[in-house]
Amino acid sequence: EAQVTQNPRYLITVTGKKLTVTCSQNMNHEYMSWYRQDPGLGLRQIYYSMNVEVTDKGDVPEGYKVSRKEKRNFPLILESPSPNQTSLYFCASSFLAGGPRGEQYFGPGTRLTVT
Amino acid sequence: QQQVKQSPQSLIVQKGGISIINCAYENTAFDYFPWYQQFPGKGPALLIAIRPDVSEKKEGRFTISFNKSAKQFSLHIMDSQPGDSATYFCAAGGTSYGKLTFGQGTILTVHP
Repeated sequence: EAQVTQNPRYLITVTGKKLTVTCSQNMNHEYMSWYRQDPGLGLRQIYYSMNVEVTDKGDVPEGYKVSRKEKRNFPLILESPSPNQTSLYFCASSFLAGGPRGEQYFGPGTRLTVT
Repeated sequence: QQQVKQSPQSLIVQKGGISIINCAYENTAFDYFPWYQQFPGKGPALLIAIRPDVSEKKEGRFTISFNKSAKQFSLHIMDSQPGDSATYFCAAGGTSYGKLTFGQGTILTVHP
C-alpha cells in the first residue's frame, strides 16, 4: 500500500530534550516536506527536500532541523524543543514540488506536546 | 512571504445545502490550485485541483471556480452531506515555484 508513515503518533516531552520524528514514504517520491498545523494558521511549511541531500527552509524553520540521506526517509529533529513547538506535525511527499504531479500525500500526523 | 487567504474559518450548512469556501492569492506566478480535505485524526488528502487556463472544474458534487484577474478561487460543495464535514484547505503553487502555500483552513459542519 502506498503510504507515508510517521512515528511516533503522539509525543509528550519536556523543554530542551532533543527529539526526532521519523517520516518514511514507499512511493519513490522526489519531494518531501514537513508542515505544522495550528488552529487558525492552517498548514505552515517547516522544511522541504527536493531530493536526497537537498533540503531548504520553508516558512517556519526556526528551531527545527532535517536531513535527507535516503530518498524514502525525511526525519524532523527538534534539538531543544520549546512549548511554542507544541503542535500537530505532518510529513508529506510527492513526485514533484508543484503542479499536477505535485499532489502531496500526507502522513497521519504526530501530535507533539512540549511542557 | 507569499500568502493564501482563506475564508470563512468555519461554516455550518444544512444537509442538501451549498457550501462555499473562498481563497485569494498574491503571487501571479502560481499556476496550480488544489483543495485538500482533512477528516479528524487524519492527514489532508487531495480533493480537487485546477490550473489557471480554465475558469471552472467540476468533479461530482465538488466544483472549483477560478477568477484569474481577481486572483481568487473558490470551492463549491453542492448537496452538502454530513459526511462532507471536515476541514478544507486551499493551496497555491506551481512547478517552477517549488512549494505549495496553504490557506488557513475552513472547518465545515453539515447538519443532518
